[in-house]
Amino acid sequence: QQQVKQSPQSLIVQKGGISIINCAYENTAFDYFPWYQQFPGKGPALLIAIRPDVSEKKEGRFTISFNKSAKQFSLHIMDSQPGDSATYFCAASMSTGRRALTFGSGTRLQVQP
Amino acid sequence: NAGVTQTPKFRVLKTGQSMTLLCAQDMNHEYMYWYRQDPGMGLRLIHYSVGEGTTAKGEVPDGYNVSRLKKQNFLLGLESAAPSQTSVYFCASSLLRKKAGSEANVLTFGAGSRLTVL
Repeated sequence: QQQVKQSPQSLIVQKGGISIINCAYENTAFDYFPWYQQFPGKGPALLIAIRPDVSEKKEGRFTISFNKSAKQFSLHIMDSQPGDSATYFCAASMSTGRRALTFGSGTRLQVQP
Repeated sequence: NAGVTQTPKFRVLKTGQSMTLLCAQDMNHEYMYWYRQDPGMGLRLIHYSVGEGTTAKGEVPDGYNVSRLKKQNFLLGLESAAPSQTSVYFCASSLLRKKAGSEANVLTFGAGSRLTVL
């Protein structure tokens, strides 16, 4: 049972364009939604995170949009750069109990110069 | 400032062999996790620990065992390796934050251990 569904599986964007990755979750007990970035040969690293009490969070060129009623959230990368080429994972967890992250299947982003 | 260190980085096993992956963190984190990463499937939780001496099953625990005898170490064991366990394994750790916030549950990952079972 995949509790966090992510799309697309891969994405090619031109330099300067907008990259958009979408995720949907099933468990309404989730209350923490991070995005992780992974470069080849490295472990994932936290990029940006949001809680469901806000609909949007922006950090530099990265924005999370959150729709609680639809149980969906998305990552927007503005002015995409070749250095943003990586695999991106959305995730979800609960603040109490297990606290372990449930990850989406990942999106491989390629930003072409 | 090592963070999370995994050993070994690469290993090739024959079906039926056993091995142990070691994870060590120097950040005094309470929580530790083992994930496996497979193409198109993201990261799936194998086992986790909420403190020294405690372990619990994740989403895909079959065929694996874990131990956390010391707070800084989390071991993942394969008693009888199978080709289906060919994967990249990631260890992660996190703090126990009592106050909820957007950064309440930040996982720090190791660089991964690539295991091939022939």
